[in-house]
Amino acid sequence: AQSVAQPEDQVNVAEGNPLTVKCTYSVSGNPYLFWYVQYPNRGLQFLLKYITGDNLVKGSYGFEAEFNKSQTSFHLKKPSALVSDSALYFCAVRPVDGNKLVFGAGTILRVKS
Amino acid sequence: ETGVTQTPRHLVMGMTNKKSLKCEQHLGHNAMYWYKQSAKKPLELMFVYSLEERVENNSVPSRFSPECPNSSHLFLHLHTLQPEDSALYLCASSRSSTANSYEQYFGPGTRLTVT
Repeated sequence: AQSVAQPEDQVNVAEGNPLTVKCTYSVSGNPYLFWYVQYPNRGLQFLLKYITGDNLVKGSYGFEAEFNKSQTSFHLKKPSALVSDSALYFCAVRPVDGNKLVFGAGTILRVKS
Repeated sequence: ETGVTQTPRHLVMGMTNKKSLKCEQHLGHNAMYWYKQSAKKPLELMFVYSLEERVENNSVPSRFSPECPNSSHLFLHLHTLQPEDSALYLCASSRSSTANSYEQYFGPGTRLTVT
Protein backbone atom coordinates (compact mmCIF):
# COMPACT_ATOMS: atom_id res chain seq x y z
CA ALA A 1 0.00 0.00 0.00
CA GLN A 2 1.18 3.50 -0.71
CA SER A 3 1.94 5.97 2.08
CA VAL A 4 3.39 9.40 2.69
CA ALA A 5 5.36 10.52 5.73
CA GLN A 6 5.88 14.11 6.74
CA PRO A 7 8.14 13.63 9.75
CA GLU A 8 7.82 17.16 11.14
CA ASP A 9 4.54 18.39 12.58
CA GLN A 10 5.88 21.95 12.48
CA VAL A 11 8.80 23.79 10.94
CA ASN A 12 9.89 27.21 12.22
CA VAL A 13 11.97 29.50 10.04
CA ALA A 14 13.09 33.11 10.23
CA GLU A 15 12.02 35.36 7.39
CA GLY A 16 14.66 35.49 4.69
CA ASN A 17 16.15 32.13 5.60
CA PRO A 18 15.85 29.05 3.40
CA LEU A 19 13.14 26.57 4.29
CA THR A 20 12.72 22.84 3.81
CA VAL A 21 9.59 20.79 4.45
CA LYS A 22 10.32 17.08 4.33
CA CYS A 23 8.37 14.32 2.64
CA THR A 24 9.13 10.66 2.08
CA TYR A 25 6.89 8.19 0.34
CA SER A 26 6.31 4.52 -0.19
CA VAL A 27 4.69 3.28 -3.37
CA SER A 28 4.98 0.29 -5.65
CA GLY A 29 6.27 1.35 -9.00
CA ASN A 30 6.92 4.89 -10.13
CA PRO A 31 5.22 7.77 -8.35
CA TYR A 32 3.55 10.99 -9.22
CA LEU A 33 4.28 13.42 -6.38
CA PHE A 34 2.47 16.61 -5.38
CA TRP A 35 2.71 19.44 -2.88
CA TYR A 36 -0.32 21.41 -1.74
CA VAL A 37 -0.62 24.35 0.65
CA GLN A 38 -3.57 25.21 2.88
CA TYR A 39 -4.03 28.67 4.36
CA PRO A 40 -6.38 29.16 7.34
CA ASN A 41 -10.05 28.71 6.47
CA ARG A 42 -9.19 27.86 2.87
CA GLY A 43 -9.04 24.73 0.76
CA LEU A 44 -5.85 23.13 -0.47
CA GLN A 45 -3.99 24.90 -3.27
CA PHE A 46 -1.78 23.04 -5.72
CA LEU A 47 1.89 24.13 -5.55
CA LEU A 48 3.84 21.78 -7.79
CA LYS A 49 4.15 18.22 -9.02
CA TYR A 50 6.72 15.74 -10.23
CA ILE A 51 5.66 13.60 -13.16
CA THR A 52 8.83 12.69 -15.02
CA GLY A 53 12.03 14.24 -16.28
CA ASP A 54 14.07 16.76 -14.31
CA ASN A 55 14.23 15.85 -10.65
CA LEU A 56 14.04 19.51 -9.61
CA VAL A 57 10.54 20.85 -10.02
CA LYS A 58 9.63 24.53 -9.75
CA GLY A 59 6.20 25.66 -8.68
CA SER A 60 4.13 28.58 -7.45
CA TYR A 61 5.30 31.35 -5.09
CA GLY A 62 9.00 30.51 -5.56
CA PHE A 63 8.73 26.99 -4.16
CA GLU A 64 10.61 24.04 -5.59
CA ALA A 65 10.95 20.37 -4.75
CA GLU A 66 13.52 17.72 -5.55
CA PHE A 67 12.58 14.16 -6.38
CA ASN A 68 15.13 11.68 -5.01
CA LYS A 69 14.28 8.17 -6.10
CA SER A 70 16.97 6.42 -4.08
CA GLN A 71 15.85 8.11 -0.88
CA THR A 72 12.14 8.05 -1.86
CA SER A 73 11.91 11.69 -0.90
CA PHE A 74 10.29 14.80 -2.33
CA HIS A 75 11.29 17.66 -0.03
CA LEU A 76 9.77 21.09 -0.55
CA LYS A 77 12.20 24.02 -0.54
CA LYS A 78 12.33 27.77 -0.89
CA PRO A 79 15.54 29.85 -0.88
CA SER A 80 14.11 32.76 1.13
CA ALA A 81 11.04 32.37 3.34
CA LEU A 82 8.32 34.99 3.66
CA VAL A 83 5.98 35.51 6.60
CA SER A 84 3.13 34.98 4.13
CA ASP A 85 4.41 31.44 3.49
CA SER A 86 3.13 30.44 6.92
CA ALA A 87 0.54 27.74 6.28
CA LEU A 88 -0.12 24.00 6.37
CA TYR A 89 1.72 22.01 3.70
CA PHE A 90 0.69 18.60 2.39
CA CYS A 91 2.71 16.14 0.36
CA ALA A 92 0.80 13.58 -1.72
CA VAL A 93 1.69 10.55 -3.82
CA ARG A 94 -0.09 8.61 -6.52
CA PRO A 95 1.37 5.58 -8.29
CA VAL A 96 1.69 5.88 -12.03
CA ASP A 97 -0.49 2.80 -12.46
CA GLY A 98 -2.86 3.39 -9.57
CA ASN A 99 -5.87 5.54 -8.83
CA LYS A 100 -5.65 6.76 -5.30
CA LEU A 101 -3.99 10.03 -4.27
CA VAL A 102 -2.64 9.58 -0.74
CA PHE A 103 -1.82 12.59 1.43
CA GLY A 104 0.59 13.01 4.31
CA ALA A 105 -0.63 14.35 7.65
CA GLY A 106 0.68 17.83 6.88
CA THR A 107 3.41 20.10 8.22
CA ILE A 108 2.74 23.51 9.72
CA LEU A 109 5.24 26.08 8.50
CA ARG A 110 5.72 29.17 10.65
CA VAL A 111 7.85 31.97 9.30
CA LYS A 112 8.69 34.67 11.84
CA SER A 113 9.83 38.17 11.04
CA GLU B 1 -10.37 29.84 -5.46
CA THR B 2 -13.47 30.62 -7.47
CA GLY B 3 -12.79 27.48 -9.55
CA VAL B 4 -14.43 25.23 -6.96
CA THR B 5 -17.09 26.57 -4.63
CA GLN B 6 -18.70 24.95 -1.62
CA THR B 7 -21.79 25.83 0.38
CA PRO B 8 -22.42 26.27 3.18
CA ARG B 9 -19.03 27.24 4.60
CA HIS B 10 -20.14 26.37 8.13
CA LEU B 11 -22.82 23.95 9.32
CA VAL B 12 -23.96 22.95 12.78
CA MET B 13 -26.39 20.06 12.93
CA GLY B 14 -27.88 17.74 15.47
CA MET B 15 -27.51 14.00 15.22
CA THR B 16 -31.07 13.57 14.01
CA ASN B 17 -30.96 16.26 11.32
CA LYS B 18 -30.68 15.84 7.59
CA LYS B 19 -28.58 18.31 5.65
CA SER B 20 -26.70 18.51 2.37
CA LEU B 21 -23.35 19.94 1.33
CA LYS B 22 -23.00 21.37 -2.15
CA CYS B 23 -19.99 21.65 -4.41
CA GLU B 24 -19.73 23.27 -7.83
CA GLN B 25 -16.73 23.38 -10.14
CA HIS B 26 -16.33 25.93 -12.93
CA LEU B 27 -13.22 24.38 -14.47
CA GLY B 28 -14.73 21.99 -17.01
CA HIS B 29 -13.31 19.00 -15.15
CA ASN B 30 -14.63 15.46 -15.44
CA ALA B 31 -13.82 14.13 -11.98
CA MET B 32 -15.01 15.26 -8.56
CA TYR B 33 -14.07 14.14 -5.07
CA TRP B 34 -15.20 14.38 -1.45
CA TYR B 35 -12.55 14.39 1.29
CA LYS B 36 -12.79 14.54 5.07
CA GLN B 37 -10.15 16.56 6.89
CA SER B 38 -9.80 16.02 10.63
CA ALA B 39 -7.23 17.70 12.85
CA LYS B 40 -3.73 16.18 12.69
CA LYS B 41 -4.83 13.38 10.36
CA PRO B 42 -4.18 12.88 6.65
CA LEU B 43 -6.96 13.78 4.30
CA GLU B 44 -9.39 10.89 3.93
CA LEU B 45 -10.77 10.27 0.47
CA MET B 46 -14.48 9.50 0.73
CA PHE B 47 -15.91 9.35 -2.79
CA VAL B 48 -14.76 9.77 -6.38
CA TYR B 49 -17.01 10.56 -9.32
CA SER B 50 -15.97 10.40 -12.95
CA LEU B 51 -18.37 11.76 -15.54
CA GLU B 52 -21.18 11.58 -12.98
CA GLU B 53 -20.56 7.94 -12.12
CA ARG B 54 -19.26 6.92 -8.72
CA VAL B 55 -15.95 5.15 -9.25
CA GLU B 56 -14.73 4.90 -5.68
CA ASN B 57 -16.30 4.59 -2.25
CA ASN B 58 -13.75 4.23 0.50
CA SER B 59 -15.79 2.30 3.06
CA VAL B 60 -17.74 5.38 4.04
CA PRO B 61 -20.69 4.84 6.41
CA SER B 62 -24.11 4.95 4.79
CA ARG B 63 -25.03 8.06 6.77
CA PHE B 64 -23.02 9.88 4.08
CA SER B 65 -24.71 9.73 0.69
CA PRO B 66 -23.14 11.40 -2.36
CA GLU B 67 -24.94 12.58 -5.46
CA CYS B 68 -23.50 13.84 -8.73
CA PRO B 69 -26.28 15.08 -11.04
CA ASN B 70 -23.83 16.40 -13.65
CA SER B 71 -20.10 16.88 -14.07
CA SER B 72 -20.19 20.35 -12.47
CA HIS B 73 -22.12 19.59 -9.29
CA LEU B 74 -21.54 17.28 -6.38
CA PHE B 75 -23.60 16.88 -3.22
CA LEU B 76 -23.02 15.11 0.06
CA HIS B 77 -26.25 14.26 1.85
CA LEU B 78 -25.93 13.83 5.60
CA HIS B 79 -28.28 12.08 8.03
CA THR B 80 -28.07 10.75 11.57
CA LEU B 81 -24.46 11.82 11.93
CA GLN B 82 -22.25 11.20 14.95
CA PRO B 83 -20.13 13.75 16.84
CA GLU B 84 -16.98 12.11 15.42
CA ASP B 85 -18.16 13.16 11.97
CA SER B 86 -17.36 16.76 12.84
CA ALA B 87 -14.63 17.83 10.45
CA LEU B 88 -13.81 19.97 7.42
CA TYR B 89 -15.33 18.45 4.29
CA LEU B 90 -13.46 19.32 1.14
CA CYS B 91 -14.60 18.99 -2.42
CA ALA B 92 -12.10 18.75 -5.27
CA SER B 93 -12.10 18.32 -9.02
CA SER B 94 -9.60 17.28 -11.67
CA ARG B 95 -9.53 16.79 -15.41
CA SER B 96 -9.68 13.05 -15.04
CA SER B 97 -9.90 10.52 -12.23
CA THR B 98 -7.80 7.97 -14.09
CA ALA B 99 -5.01 10.06 -15.61
CA ASN B 100 -2.87 10.13 -12.51
CA SER B 101 -0.68 13.08 -13.39
CA TYR B 102 -3.47 15.62 -13.09
CA GLU B 103 -3.57 17.74 -9.95
CA GLN B 104 -6.76 18.30 -8.02
CA TYR B 105 -8.33 21.67 -7.34
CA PHE B 106 -10.00 22.11 -3.98
CA GLY B 107 -12.88 24.17 -2.71
CA PRO B 108 -12.67 26.11 0.58
CA GLY B 109 -14.48 23.37 2.50
CA THR B 110 -17.51 23.13 4.78
CA ARG B 111 -16.76 23.16 8.50
CA LEU B 112 -19.26 20.67 9.94
CA THR B 113 -20.04 20.42 13.64
CA VAL B 114 -22.33 17.65 14.85
CA THR B 115 -23.87 18.30 18.26
